[in-house]
Amino acid sequence: SYELTQPPSVSVSPGQTARITCSGDALPRQYAYWYQQKPGQAPVLVIYKDNERPSGIPERFSGSSSGTTVTLTISGVQAEDEADYYCQSADSSGAYRVFGTGTKVTVL
Amino acid sequence: EVQLVQSGAEVKKPGESLKISCKGSGYSFTTHWIAWVRQMPGKGLEWMGIIYPGDSDTRYSPSFQGQVTISADKSISTTFLQWSSLKASDTAMYYCARSLEGNFYYYMDVWGKGTTVTVSS
Repeated sequence: SYELTQPPSVSVSPGQTARITCSGDALPRQYAYWYQQKPGQAPVLVIYKDNERPSGIPERFSGSSSGTTVTLTISGVQAEDEADYYCQSADSSGAYRVFGTGTKVTVL
Repeated sequence: EVQLVQSGAEVKKPGESLKISCKGSGYSFTTHWIAWVRQMPGKGLEWMGIIYPGDSDTRYSPSFQGQVTISADKSISTTFLQWSSLKASDTAMYYCARSLEGNFYYYMDVWGKGTTVTVSS
């Protein structure tokens, strides 16, 4: 089955930049999406179609893509950005949706 | 406002059946796919499948095919996730989410708050 791989954790100081990667063989052919999940809450979409930001999501969240890796960048990290982040995409056929393994972002 | 309201927490015994629900409002329910997502305690998100309420076209992840049934009743703008015989390993939070599906894009833009299912003897 298709897998998307993320680092388990990323630590960053307030005001610095956090980068979270997501790797998958089909990413050159499929868009990637990113979700933020805070403890006890439902996920929230923060990036769609690799680098588009939904309304209401702060500009410090951005996405990029290069080959089989996509990256979520949080510039000027704030304490409220501490959460789990999941990438999501589809297999090469587009038949199935898949979530990444998840990354816990800790703000030091 | 687009909203998905899920049914309340459930506590069941192994072998029992269960059907949980997700009611949509604030948008055209019949023309948007709904996804179901599992999150086991302390674990990540798992895509279970999707349904198109307009015609009940349903697709399952291979991991969940045959384990659960996804259905919809468009007359009440509600989709359902059901089990015929629960196992302890079904203990999890279950989310429904509106899934935007198109040519080369597939993502979930609005989520319900989740339904906790606990299966224990």
